[in-house]
Amino acid sequence: GDSVTQMEGPVTLSEEAFLTINCTYTATGYPSLFWYVQYPGEGLQLLLKATKADDKGSNKGFEATYRKETTSFHLEKGSVQVSDSAVYFCALRNTGNQFYFGTGTSLTVIP
Amino acid sequence: DVKVTQSSRYLVKRTGEKVFLECVQDMDHENMFWYRQDPGLGLRLIYFSYDVKMKEKGDIPEGYSVSREKKERFSLILESASTNQTSMYLCASSLIRANTEAFFGQGTRLTVV
Repeated sequence: GDSVTQMEGPVTLSEEAFLTINCTYTATGYPSLFWYVQYPGEGLQLLLKATKADDKGSNKGFEATYRKETTSFHLEKGSVQVSDSAVYFCALRNTGNQFYFGTGTSLTVIP
Repeated sequence: DVKVTQSSRYLVKRTGEKVFLECVQDMDHENMFWYRQDPGLGLRLIYFSYDVKMKEKGDIPEGYSVSREKKERFSLILESASTNQTSMYLCASSLIRANTEAFFGQGTRLTVV
């Protein structure tokens, strides 16, 4: 069945450091891929998405490229800020109605 | 701005009580979902609905039921609350079109004592 695997956390970085959170997926066909962010005590917000191979999603300095050959959708940001501290979820949606989420990666950015 | 609204941010209920969690969306979405979020376990799907009066079990439906009488509203019911149902509950909605994203409510932190 469809599934998402993302790197375990927690991740702690200094401000202005480079961020990578790895995400790989298993799915038949051509799923859409998403990154969501969850701030403490809140629901999930869409951060970015890509709907076909080689698409790059980007938002707020975050980027992720849909790589079908490696079944990956790694999240990157060149220079993190304290305000980026949150939990990040990778997700996919295939041709059906259901979404599949990774277990989340907690990021803490220290000044 | 699109909105998914959950009726409560925090709830405290007693063991054995019947608990209703309400979710309303204003985007005319066909799909609605209830997830449970626990530390280390990510999001687990309880139930989802793709149309009024339609429902499908997710991964962990035991101890829960749902109701969707109107397109915009999806209710999660804990028939007899137990302490192991203490959790964060997240409602979401999406269009039925395959490449569209889910929109989430702010979550309900339920504590069963």
